[in-house]
Amino acid sequence: KAGVTQTPRYLIKTRGQQVTLSCSPISGHRSVSWYQQTPGQGLQFLFEYFSETQRNKGNFPGRFSGRQFSNSRSEMNVSTLELGDSALYLCASTRDGANYGYTFGSGTRLTVV
Amino acid sequence: GENVEQHPSTLSVQEGDSAVIKCTYSDSASNYFPWYKQELGKRPQLIIDIRSNVGEKKDQRIAVTLNKTAKHFSLHITETQPEDSAVYFCAAYTGRRALTFGSGTRLQVQP
Repeated sequence: KAGVTQTPRYLIKTRGQQVTLSCSPISGHRSVSWYQQTPGQGLQFLFEYFSETQRNKGNFPGRFSGRQFSNSRSEMNVSTLELGDSALYLCASTRDGANYGYTFGSGTRLTVV
Repeated sequence: GENVEQHPSTLSVQEGDSAVIKCTYSDSASNYFPWYKQELGKRPQLIIDIRSNVGEKKDQRIAVTLNKTAKHFSLHITETQPEDSAVYFCAAYTGRRALTFGSGTRLQVQP
């Protein structure tokens, strides 16, 4: 079966712009979680969506937001981009909670210049 | 919230040797502890996990042990091979909040 698909794979944006990233989970998976990966900070949790509702939220500023659609696809948006937002953004899907095992997408590499 | 500490940050071993990575967690309510392997330029992949009702689990050359009293768990890789070279992440999950990851261990297996 198809894995977790993230688009686009690469993005270059200018400071102050906004960006939208997309994640399509494995069919049947209703939970989608987003993580920011940077060399110095590891995997930092952004938020989790389950059945179109935000179930958990990490400690990121309000510039980071997300949503989930009825087909479980999820988007995350970052407004007013800062240089420090440059990172690999990973989404992970699972049937319900993380104890079912995450399947990660390949990520979106965001570079802010 | 949950805090997961992982050591060492880098580990270099000779091919055929064993490698051990250790993690501690803070929330005693954590009941699920997965390990993910991330090869260079690739996505993290689940390699083994353990639940709080089990003390040890093995899968071929890899094993994980859990000490609930001390709140620590470890990944053991025996007979290491060059393809084991990657970054390994431990994680802990309480069932209430999201999966919390350790900071990662870069394992280098020297041929």
